[in-house]
Amino acid sequence: QVQLVQSGAEVKKPGSSMRVSCKTSGGTFNSYSITWVRQAPGQGLEWMGRIIPIVGLTHYAQKFQASVTITADKSTSTVYMELINLRSEDTAVYYCAKTREGYFLDAFDIWGQGTMVTVSS
Amino acid sequence: QSALTQPPSASGSPGQSVTISCTGTSSDVGGYDYVSWYQQHPGKAPNLMIYDVSKRPSGVPDRFSGSKSGNTASLTVSGLQADDEADYYCSSYAGGNTVVFGGGTKLTVL
Repeated sequence: QVQLVQSGAEVKKPGSSMRVSCKTSGGTFNSYSITWVRQAPGQGLEWMGRIIPIVGLTHYAQKFQASVTITADKSTSTVYMELINLRSEDTAVYYCAKTREGYFLDAFDIWGQGTMVTVSS
Repeated sequence: QSALTQPPSASGSPGQSVTISCTGTSSDVGGYDYVSWYQQHPGKAPNLMIYDVSKRPSGVPDRFSGSKSGNTASLTVSGLQADDEADYYCSSYAGGNTVVFGGGTKLTVL
């Protein structure tokens, strides 16, 4: 059974960058894609983008094209999500999640525990 | 991409059925049979309940069912139980290797 374990909570200053990690275990890292979803306090889920680790191919929501970079380290089975030029509106819980089967974006069946990022001066 | 439209709230008494709608466009919900539903309890990560419009992952009770008509998908929870009280989110493949979520529905078991 695949498990996703994310890095811990962070507090960041406006204008800075953040990087959240998502370490996978219990499965074949290259057989699925990892997606990132965020949830602002009291708000809904927002899809940010995804990576297919085996080839490093990424796709992003239009909103995040210029501000998010998702990378994968195959040697440690870890996916990273970097968000630059942080603003207070980026305060949210960030989740990584695994695609249900293969690389297609039909559903996400395993989720990380979430990482709370607070952007505050 | 615009978020899919869900009612902010829904409610039902124990044992009753409740249906939550999720409305999109022909570019997402209406264009693909890749609608999924997630249950989220407070402070927890989302949990996949339905995928590919109407399929249930193993372990999800058959009280949960999904359907779609045109640009609107629906999640029906029958035989409501106290633990069903949670937020529910729909999502859909939106083409171009992107996904869009709904705004979420808070289900209250009266």
